[in-house]
Amino acid sequence: DSGVTQTPKHLITATGQRVTLRCSPRSGDLSVYWYQQSLDQGLQFLIQYYNGEERAKGNILERFSAQQFPDLHSELNLSSLELGDSALYFCASSVDPPSGINNEQFFGPGTRLTVL
Amino acid sequence: DAKTTQPTSMDCAEGRAANLPCNHSTISGNEYVYWYRQIHSQGPQYIIHGLKNNETNEMASLIITEDRKSSTLILPHATLRDTAVYYCIVPKLTFGTGTRLTIIP
Repeated sequence: DSGVTQTPKHLITATGQRVTLRCSPRSGDLSVYWYQQSLDQGLQFLIQYYNGEERAKGNILERFSAQQFPDLHSELNLSSLELGDSALYFCASSVDPPSGINNEQFFGPGTRLTVL
Repeated sequence: DAKTTQPTSMDCAEGRAANLPCNHSTISGNEYVYWYRQIHSQGPQYIIHGLKNNETNEMASLIITEDRKSSTLILPHATLRDTAVYYCIVPKLTFGTGTRLTIIP
């Protein structure tokens, strides 16, 4: 158990819909990362938040957005869903110094999103 | 940003040492090399990281060449539970597709 929790575990929805994925980092970790993993693909980095502020952005679509709240949990919002958005979405957290150097990440169990 | 190159797949006999190579020829002087593994569809698990010196922990050893252009992850006595996809990461947020390691009984 990494200490990172993600809800829900599974999500089935239809094209055009909007969903919200939730992540609670390990106690004390200020950084939260979101990744997307499509079938048999590597992990694609989407976005990182540090202590409530966006720190790094990867291949995140404009239809996707994220935020980190004062209690440090994070939400990933996916809108206007398409079939190709079906994937595993992982959240990770780490304790990073303010300098921006990333330490090892601890991953949650993931949310499996299926868009029909 | 540096990029990594790893073999797509490897096999290793149970009980033998598994040596997983990674090329990162464009690595910058202050970039760390991280290794993670992902078992089936679980969240990736951190294994080890290093900058220029060789590193060892309870899971594995990391050998980094003197020019830092490549590294090797060593699992000293592979077990069936080590079957997984192994990711060598430079820079820190780019996972790629990794090496699928299969441990053969």
